[in-house]
Amino acid sequence: GENVEQHPSTLSVQEGDSAVIKCTYSDSASNYFPWYKQELGKRPQLIIDIRSNVGEKKDQRIAVTLNKTAKHFSLHITETQPEDSAVYFCAASKNNDMRFGAGTRLTVKP
Amino acid sequence: DTEVTQTPKHLVMGMTNKKSLKCEQHMGHRAMYWYKQKAKKPPELMFVYSYEKLSINESVPSRFSPECPNSSLLNLHLHALQPEDSALYLCASSQDRGGAAQPQHFGDGTRLSIL
Repeated sequence: GENVEQHPSTLSVQEGDSAVIKCTYSDSASNYFPWYKQELGKRPQLIIDIRSNVGEKKDQRIAVTLNKTAKHFSLHITETQPEDSAVYFCAASKNNDMRFGAGTRLTVKP
Repeated sequence: DTEVTQTPKHLVMGMTNKKSLKCEQHMGHRAMYWYKQKAKKPPELMFVYSYEKLSINESVPSRFSPECPNSSLLNLHLHALQPEDSALYLCASSQDRGGAAQPQHFGDGTRLSIL
């Protein structure tokens, strides 16, 4: 089955700096890669996603890149703000079968 | 506002009890999911329903019994649970487009404690 690895497990940045989270996946059949943000005690919320036929996607301060050949994808957050502090999960999906990475706890210090 | 509604928000039950978790969505989604999330861990896929039929069962113990009575509702029936089953149970839904995976929308979850 699909195995998703995510790094780093924790990330601390100063407000205004950039944050990068990296994931790798094992199943070449996976074709959809969402990123979820989960604040403490709340549900996972989709923040951005990318399909396997696209190399990069951007939405304001958030961008995701995908390298299908290497089977890795990354989340980039620019101009970080304290409200970006949360746990971020990458995921890889084929059909309706979605598997999550272990998560990255991002702390943005004011 | 969450578009996937889960009830109850919290549930405490003994190991011999029978209870059910409920999930409802009115977005016209035809795929519905149950995930289990332990503290400081990612959600783990348990079951997937596609057009009201069970399509994925991740070797979940039979003490968890899913049911999809119609396209808007998803239940998870619980019986004889163990303390290690204490977790946040998340429901999600998505459009179902065959081989093209779709964004999943999560509910707020039911926090389950087994005494």
